[in-house]
Amino acid sequence: DTGVSQDPRHKITKRGQNVTFRCDPISEHNRLYWYRQTLGQGPEFLTYFQNEAQLEKSRLLSDRFSAERPKGSFSTLEIQRTEQGDSAMYLCASSLDTGANTEAFFGQGTRLTVV
Amino acid sequence: AQTVTQSQPEMSVQEAETVTLSCTYDTSESNYYLFWYKQPPSRQMILVIRQEAYKQQNATENRFSVNFQKAAKSFSLKISDSQLGDTAMYFCAFSNSGAGSYQLTFGKGTKLSVIP
Repeated sequence: DTGVSQDPRHKITKRGQNVTFRCDPISEHNRLYWYRQTLGQGPEFLTYFQNEAQLEKSRLLSDRFSAERPKGSFSTLEIQRTEQGDSAMYLCASSLDTGANTEAFFGQGTRLTVV
Repeated sequence: AQTVTQSQPEMSVQEAETVTLSCTYDTSESNYYLFWYKQPPSRQMILVIRQEAYKQQNATENRFSVNFQKAAKSFSLKISDSQLGDTAMYFCAFSNSGAGSYQLTFGKGTKLSVIP
């Protein structure tokens, strides 16, 4: 598989529970991004990794959110104490740093529903 | 902060006809990148076309072309010979250039329906 893979594709959870999503980028890509997309909106940037280092975080990423990318490979996004407002599609994207703005490839996303 | 505005929430076009999707943006940067992404129903977002702001020539990719007006901060997408497979959400996006994360700032999208 040469694309960006996200798991799970769908997640339904009760308010207050913790959830974790996984993203496997394209293998040679050193940049990894998380975006959140709510209904009727475009994706919004959450955070960015260059290899294993988390270099940027949006103000949208509250203290309940944490992301990791151990060893610069796959990444996880954890949401603690979920709230109904967290219901959204969570998109992962990856790209290769060549010193220029190269194409970002997106996964199919994880759709989270908090009930 | 950069903003991207897509003023057409929904559009439709007859198969084989031409349609233009509008996008305006706001930035204080002089060099940047602009993109159109396509998001088919239940499928991942894919890049349709990109434009580097310092290039005056409008980008073209097969049936897709852009009209980039830097002074007006306008970046419209023209789809020629529309096909049923073009039915999707289309997002206009902005990214900075130079060093940095190259994070994308998206508009709210335009839902395009191609009618047989």
